[in-house]
This record gives sequence, structure tokens and C-alpha cells, in this order.
Amino acid sequence: QMQLQESGPGLVKPSETLSLKCSVSGYSITDGYFWAWIRQPPGKGLEWIASIYHSGTTYYNPSLRSRVSISVDTSKNQIFLKLNSVTAPDTAFYYCATQGGHFGTWGRGILVTVSS
Amino acid sequence: DIQLTQSPSTLSASVGDRVTITCRASESIVTWLAWYQQKPGRAPKLLIYRASTLETGVPSRFSGSGSGTEFTLTISSLQPDDFATYYCQEFKTYSYTFGQGTKLEI
Repeated sequence: QMQLQESGPGLVKPSETLSLKCSVSGYSITDGYFWAWIRQPPGKGLEWIASIYHSGTTYYNPSLRSRVSISVDTSKNQIFLKLNSVTAPDTAFYYCATQGGHFGTWGRGILVTVSS
Repeated sequence: DIQLTQSPSTLSASVGDRVTITCRASESIVTWLAWYQQKPGRAPKLLIYRASTLETGVPSRFSGSGSGTEFTLTISSLQPDDFATYYCQEFKTYSYTFGQGTKLEI
């Protein structure tokens, strides 16, 4: 059974870079699917951030494109997210998920707070 | 960008009720629409994709319909476990926009 697990710092200072990792178990990321990051500010709605295929093809939310980078490490079965120059509005739960258009399997999410 | 508008924003209902949530797109998305359920403190869960295809394991009381710009999620007979927030999401464009959510409460 496929499982996704997000990890990374729960607290990031303003202007710094948010770095998260999604570890996939029970499935090889090279077997298919795009892999996506989605975020949700506490008490608010969902926002797609970026998606990547194991070959390296990427798609980014135009509103975040200038600050976001998504990558994969196929040898470790992991997906990475970097969001730079963070500010308070970047405080959110960050989820990784499989993507075949829709988002099928989700990780449990990780809360990242931007604060000094 | 495509905008998705859900209505109502909040819906009060009782166990056993039949409820319908609407999602309207600002332009045609054909049937490139999914529905998710989210409970407090949990990740969203996929219910329906391609507007009407039920995800494996989702109870048959959930159904989706629509095409173009208007879509509906129907729960035929509400169960206690169904009280949650529901989101629609389009996947016609590379923006993968979500609706603002509908909170289904008792």
C-alpha cells in the first residue's frame, strides 16, 4: 500500500527558504504518476503548488513559480519542495500527493509556520 | 485562470438527508473535475474524479454529475461520518484550481 510522508522544519524564519521532503513507500515513483505539493493555510482552502514527473518534467503554480522549486531523487524514492523568500502568508499545512490530474493519495501533511 | 465557485459555503443537514453541493466553473472544464472530503486535522480524501467516477472504496451514497461549467456532488443519505468540508478541483488546466470549500455540518 502506497504511503507518503512529509518531513522538514516546522518553523522557518521570514525571508528564508522552506525545504520539505516527501518520502514514498510501497510504490516506486518511477512507476508512474506525477507527484505534487499542495498547501493549506490553517482554516483556509487548498492551493496547488507544483508537480513533477520522475523524468523531471515540472509544472508550477504561476502565482508561486518565481519562488518554488520541485525535484525528485528516484534512488531514494523522494520528492522535494523548496520555497524561498517566505513570509507569514506561506504559513500552511503542506501536503504531497500523487497526481493523475486529480490528487489520489495524500500524505498526512506537515505544518510549517513562518515566524521570527 | 479558471475560477471554481462552490455553493453553499455552509450546509446544515441531518443524518439521513439527501444533500447536494454545487461547483461552478468560470469556463468549460468538460468533465475534468474531482471532489474531495476533508475532516478536521486530516488530509483531503479523493471521492470522485472525471466528474462522476467514484474512487475505489468510496461509499456508493456519494455521486457526482455535470459537465462543462456546472457540477454537483450528491450524498444520498447522510451518515454521521459525512460531516466534513468538501472541495471541488479542476484539472483541465495547469493551475489545478480548488473551490473554496463547502462545510457540511449538523
